[in-house]
Amino acid sequence: SQQGEEDPQALSIQEGENATMNCSYKTSINNLQWYRQNSGRGLVHLILIRSNEREKHSGRLRVTLDTSKKSSSLLITASRAADTASYFCATETSYDKVIFGPGTSLSVIP
Amino acid sequence: EAGVVQSPRYKIIEKKQPVAFWCNPISGHNTLYWYRQNLGQGPELLIRYENEEAVDDSQLPKDRFSAERLKGVDSTLKIQPAELGDSAVYLCASTTGMLSNEQFFGPGTRLTVL
Repeated sequence: SQQGEEDPQALSIQEGENATMNCSYKTSINNLQWYRQNSGRGLVHLILIRSNEREKHSGRLRVTLDTSKKSSSLLITASRAADTASYFCATETSYDKVIFGPGTSLSVIP
Repeated sequence: EAGVVQSPRYKIIEKKQPVAFWCNPISGHNTLYWYRQNLGQGPELLIRYENEEAVDDSQLPKDRFSAERLKGVDSTLKIQPAELGDSAVYLCASTTGMLSNEQFFGPGTRLTVL
């Protein structure tokens, strides 16, 4: 079974709105990363948050991590049509494995 | 700086045929990954190399899949014989060698097995 599970599976919003997607995981982690994948392309790293961090910002991205609930969220503020993509969380476990979730498909409507 | 290069970008073969994918990681990146990504799913690790050593191949179906990374640079992933269920995108990624670093992905090879 997946270590990480994103929620929702699909999200459709209007340009300018905020998009929030969540990731839950099962085992202890060293860090959690978020990646973006545009259609037909490889994944692009967005942000990494370590297990001892609770929140991290990068531009319009805000990531939170709650290790007690084994969950993380990715917030994209003031969304743009170019943000349309699939977003994946990847957990690095204590067993030196990086495991990707099934992803959230985000559509930003102009 | 050039990114991770993969070839071919697309491959269509008939079942039972062999196929090979090639990956050239970012210069200086010691760690190389091969992933398989099915439609609508996240990447699933097949094999991880540290230099030329395969340090995690627990998810590689060894009856038909093989991989090599000669000289610790380029890598080749082979399937022989291919099955219908092998249709997927095969992604290569590399990092500098510390697991906490971000992975840089190539564009992938889309394999269709008929």
